[in-house]
Amino acid sequence: GENVEQHPSTLSVQEGDSAVIKCTYSDSASNYFPWYKQELGKGPQLIIDIRSNVGEKKDQRIAVTLNKTAKHFSLHITETQPEDSAVYFCAASNRNTGGFKTIFGAGTRLFVKA
Amino acid sequence: DVKVTQSSRYLVKRTGEKVFLECVQDMDHENMFWYRQDPGLGLRLIYFSYDVKMKEKGDIPEGYSVSREKKERFSLILESASTNQTSMYLCASKPGGNGAYEQYFGPGTRLTVT
Repeated sequence: GENVEQHPSTLSVQEGDSAVIKCTYSDSASNYFPWYKQELGKGPQLIIDIRSNVGEKKDQRIAVTLNKTAKHFSLHITETQPEDSAVYFCAASNRNTGGFKTIFGAGTRLFVKA
Repeated sequence: DVKVTQSSRYLVKRTGEKVFLECVQDMDHENMFWYRQDPGLGLRLIYFSYDVKMKEKGDIPEGYSVSREKKERFSLILESASTNQTSMYLCASKPGGNGAYEQYFGPGTRLTVT
């Protein structure tokens, strides 16, 4: 079946450094790629998303890049802060299913050391 | 402000019990989802609903059923709980329309079956 692979599973960085999380998807019909952040004791919350007609999107310290040919997309967090510590999930959604079936990656636990 | 609430944060049940997990959203969203979250596996879709009384199986529906009698409420039912259903359960909702959009998640219910 369709899947999304996410790496690394755990990432530890020093405060102020950058963090990069990478995902690969298998379904070429995927057209929507959200990133969710899950803090301890909370449900996932969207932090940024990108659609297949765009190669890059930025929102302050967070950016996402998409390479449709290689079926790769990545999350970049610059100037990391302790409050960025959380689990991050990438996901891919297929327009043919009306966006109902979103496939999630396994998650990356990010630790930002002060 | 968007809100998805789940009836319990923590639940402990015995093997063979019938378990009800309730989810309510106040955003008038047409679509609602139930996921289970397990370490290393990300979020996996159990069932979703695109309208009142309508439901569709997700990737792992075995051992579960759902009910949607009102637009704002989506219930997950474990007919006869088993230990392998010990997990974190997340409810989500998203707007209607044939497209891919952000999902709004509840805080989750951590279910333990003993």
